[in-house]
Amino acid sequence: AQTVTQSQPEMSVQEAETVTLSCTYDTSESDYYLFWYKQPPSRQMILVIRQEAYKQQNATENRFSVNFQKAAKSFSLKISDSQLGDAAMYFCAYCYGQNFVFGPGTRLSVLP
Amino acid sequence: KAGVTQTPRYLIKTRGQQVTLSCSPISGHRSVSWYQQTPGQGLQFLFEYFSETQRNKGNFPGRFSGRQFSNSRSEMNVSTLELGDSALYLCASSLRGGAWSTEAFFGQGTRLTVV
Repeated sequence: AQTVTQSQPEMSVQEAETVTLSCTYDTSESDYYLFWYKQPPSRQMILVIRQEAYKQQNATENRFSVNFQKAAKSFSLKISDSQLGDAAMYFCAYCYGQNFVFGPGTRLSVLP
Repeated sequence: KAGVTQTPRYLIKTRGQQVTLSCSPISGHRSVSWYQQTPGQGLQFLFEYFSETQRNKGNFPGRFSGRQFSNSRSEMNVSTLELGDSALYLCASSLRGGAWSTEAFFGQGTRLTVV
């Protein structure tokens, strides 16, 4: 069965600094999707960035970028120039077939 | 376009009761998935509906059931509520779901409290 691990339950970063959230996953598939979702206090899950496993180039979305290491099954999220609004729970997710598998989440605090 | 709408936002029920939650997906989306989120278990997949058919089911007891209507709106029902059913229930819609889905759009969730 596929599993997703986020080894950092909590992280903090100073405003304007850079932080990296880690994610590893386990799968025997070769073609799948990976996502980072943000869940602010409002509870709605917001898609931050996605990566297709067949693409070698790392996805970027403004201040958010990923380091996708397919062989190592690693998918970390880097947030540059952190802002107070980035404070939230961040979930790494794997998608293959008909449902998502989520990691346990990392709570990110942004310090002013 | 309108996002995924879940109703109600908050719900308080007593043990033994049953509850029905509703999810209206984004217009044109035919896949609706349900998730349970608790502090202890994290996000867990409940089931997915596509074109009124349950296409996949997670590891939850039969007290959890769902259905999807012809307009793609979905309902989730939990019977004989237990204290452990207290959770945030999230619904996600996507165009076709499954391996074709490049992203799922989530609703804001329904916070269910069982007392």
